[in-house]
Amino acid sequence: GAGVSQSPSNKVTEKGKDVELRCDPISGHTALYWYRQSLGQGLEFLIYFQGNSAPDKSGLPSDRFSAERTGGSVSTLTIQRTQQEDSAVYLCASNFLGTGDSPAEAFFGQGTRLTVV
Amino acid sequence: AQSVTQLDSQVPVFEEAPVELRCNYSSSVSVYLFWYVQYPNQGLQLLLKYLSGSTLVKGINGFEAEFNKSQTSFHLRKPSVHISDTAEYFCAVSVLSGSEKLVFGKGTKLTVNP
Repeated sequence: GAGVSQSPSNKVTEKGKDVELRCDPISGHTALYWYRQSLGQGLEFLIYFQGNSAPDKSGLPSDRFSAERTGGSVSTLTIQRTQQEDSAVYLCASNFLGTGDSPAEAFFGQGTRLTVV
Repeated sequence: AQSVTQLDSQVPVFEEAPVELRCNYSSSVSVYLFWYVQYPNQGLQLLLKYLSGSTLVKGINGFEAEFNKSQTSFHLRKPSVHISDTAEYFCAVSVLSGSEKLVFGKGTKLTVNP
């Protein structure tokens, strides 16, 4: 597609429910990232995919959070047993990994605003 | 580990005035530096980046930033702002190894008033 697409754009869920957030990266981008943007915490890295594997998941805040990527394309971030502190905007980004000594530009989606009530 | 500090959480200015948004970083290795802009209810858009070479970097929308290695700073400037520049601005660093993940500052909300 023309850009990184995320769905849904807004999600309201009850505390304790599971949610799935979807990211469609730019076609051909091998790297995919999830970030979380919350009040007071700013933008935090969650997980990085290269192809279908996740060599860096150091930012996942707890074992309630998981993510997968299939076909080197679409990624799903799953939050189990949601808590109110999970309320945030979840942003997805994709890029080609940089070659040589130049990092590639990361392109961001518009995010999914998650509200846990 | 890397960290980024944006010294001002909010910056109000009048239209056509100059503006500087401050960013300092900390890292034990060489980093690459970025400024992103986020308009309301939108994702992040790259304004400019510093990889190497000239320390003065020009970006989109008339913005520029200067890399200062001795002061570990990467301040963003614009000589004359417009109402449409009202947005949140994020400074970020990455290391060219592994994931190239971005480490962000907490953002500066720029409000341009008429």
